[in-house]
Amino acid sequence: QSALTQPASVSGSPGQSISISCTGTSSDVGGYNYVSWYQQYPGKAPKLLIYDVSKRPSGVSYRFSGSKSGNTASLTISGLQAEDEADYYCCSYGRSNFYVFGTGTKVTVV
Amino acid sequence: EVQVVESGGGLVQPGGSLRLSCAASGFIFSSYEMHWVRQAPGKGLEWVAYISSSGSTRYYADSVKGRFTISRDNAKNSLYLQMNSLRAEDTAVYYCARESGDGYNFDYWGQGTLVTVSS
Repeated sequence: QSALTQPASVSGSPGQSISISCTGTSSDVGGYNYVSWYQQYPGKAPKLLIYDVSKRPSGVSYRFSGSKSGNTASLTISGLQAEDEADYYCCSYGRSNFYVFGTGTKVTVV
Repeated sequence: EVQVVESGGGLVQPGGSLRLSCAASGFIFSSYEMHWVRQAPGKGLEWVAYISSSGSTRYYADSVKGRFTISRDNAKNSLYLQMNSLRAEDTAVYYCARESGDGYNFDYWGQGTLVTVSS
């Protein structure tokens, strides 16, 4: 079961927009609209940010948005803030491996 | 308030066994599918196991298939993970996670319990 591919790190200045990619295959990301994104601070549990590719749970900031094209999903953080500095993981339902997470991306606000 | 609280982690020797528990509250436990997800120290998240709301259907990651068993007791609002034949690579924080009512995502997570496999 191979993890989905994410960039190891992404950085941006306050107020900027950044995007994190999540690349899988036609058996997971490309085959289903069941991509979710999670934010995790050090030593804390993950928090759901986006589900079903682009839906936001109640209480999650509008600055977080999701999209998908082919086998690659993306999370965009607009108006970057210091509090957005965290690790981000994508996850997809898959035909062969049920659920697979991405490799994770560390976001740094410089 | 929805809460899931894991317990049962600790230090175990290679080849040993451990049983994790997850106590759920604040929602109708018997109506939700549940999962275990783990995270090795300094590493990413890895999905481990799934159980349907009734307990009749279970799925496992290849890395734990045949060694781990997920179960639940809806009368006790509890989820379990029986881990046998433990290996060093099973060392991780184990999270209990609820699958949302919409399905295909994890909307509530516990704080995790650390399992260390070492001699």
